[in-house]
Amino acid sequence: SSELTQDPAVSVALGQTVRITCQGDSLRSYYASWYQQKPGQAPVLVIYGKNNRPSGIPDRFSGSSSGNTASLTISGAQAEDEADYYCSSRDNSGKHNHVFGTGSKVTVL
Amino acid sequence: QVQLQESGPGLVKPSQTLSLTCTVSGGSISSGGYYWSWIRQLPGKGLEWLGYIYYSGNTYYNPSLTSRVTISVDTSKNQFSLKLNSVTAADTAVYYCARVGYISSWYWFDYWGQGALVTVSS
Repeated sequence: SSELTQDPAVSVALGQTVRITCQGDSLRSYYASWYQQKPGQAPVLVIYGKNNRPSGIPDRFSGSSSGNTASLTISGAQAEDEADYYCSSRDNSGKHNHVFGTGSKVTVL
Repeated sequence: QVQLQESGPGLVKPSQTLSLTCTVSGGSISSGGYYWSWIRQLPGKGLEWLGYIYYSGNTYYNPSLTSRVTISVDTSKNQFSLKLNSVTAADTAVYYCARVGYISSWYWFDYWGQGALVTVSS
């Protein structure tokens, strides 16, 4: 299967913790990577692999995975974390095909 | 710091070929170790992977678009390019180029261009 499903919208109170999930069969074989996209901007990588953050990404962002589900957690959400978040992985067809999740709009209240 | 910049026409007529080039600075495509990818985002929609290329010229495409997409690389100019033929209005999108890192079962798009809006219209 080459689909990655995310909840369309998630809200979190300022300073609280929010988990965004991504489900798909490919996640049993490949790790997800996660991207933050703000309006009018290019996506930014926030998590990749088991739980790796690129330089400059705050440590309030973390990732985990179990079975066919990958999760991105924002611990102590800040106003600037309000954005669209996409997961991605290579699919498990045996060919090089990459898919992005359907996207989650995170609102910080 | 690796930087990528898309360039090309912002308006393409239906049935014609969309052509974009991505210029890479701050790193060499020919060093290997990365794929170089094109991704697009339809208006108000999510991200769609179009394909990628290795410095050697090996290419991999999205199965749903493979008949219309061609990605090529020019290591002498540190550029890679996208051609999408027989375009329709449904191909109107922001097109991004990106670098793809990988280790075993990990893949990640770590550097992105700012994006290029391409409108298909007569």
